[in-house]
Amino acid sequence: EPEVTQTPSHQVTQMGQEVILRCVPISNHLYFYWYRQILGQKVEFLVSFYNNEISEKSEIFDDQFSVERPDGSNFTLKIRSTKLEDSAMYFCASSPRADRTDTQYFGPGTRLTVL
Amino acid sequence: LAKTTQPISMDSYEGQEVNITCSHNNIATNDYITWYQQFPSQGPRFIIQGYKTKVTNEVASLFIPADRKSSTLSLPRVSLSDTAVYYCLVAPGNMLTFGGGTRLMVKP
Repeated sequence: EPEVTQTPSHQVTQMGQEVILRCVPISNHLYFYWYRQILGQKVEFLVSFYNNEISEKSEIFDDQFSVERPDGSNFTLKIRSTKLEDSAMYFCASSPRADRTDTQYFGPGTRLTVL
Repeated sequence: LAKTTQPISMDSYEGQEVNITCSHNNIATNDYITWYQQFPSQGPRFIIQGYKTKVTNEVASLFIPADRKSSTLSLPRVSLSDTAVYYCLVAPGNMLTFGGGTRLMVKP
């Protein structure tokens, strides 16, 4: 069964450094998402992406964040200058479409630790 | 955006049927009800989705009464590996909004 993959599984960085989290969505999916989950808290929507554009973004997704689909397979989340509070699990998801009945398939996550 | 309310936690024993109820009093006409499962340090996994009445798949059943103000996820004969957090979502569009979920603990 096809699945979403994410790399790295764990990223440790110093405050102020830039990080890029990588995702390979399921190959025939057109919509891509990033979510995050701070330890012990809810899963929070960050951004959705379709046709090389951001479709929706939450208040969390400020100017420190950016997303890109640099080639036909990868989908990346960049955090320009990491803060301690960016420490969280970051999940990528993809779906074939974006209507209300469409299932989003989540990757295993990248645990980001900012020191 | 419809708000969902579900129990914070539930305990069960192996082999029992587990029913988790979610209330969503202000669900909109076009909203579907979706349930996800999440194991520790893993991404959420889709379980089941429905609009009204009953939906069943190989993993679970979803019961939705006529007024659609609540829904019940039914897990038949749970095992230890069903210990997880279960989320009820009522999401217009593609921006999934997760609540706190129900932490199900299955005991031997």
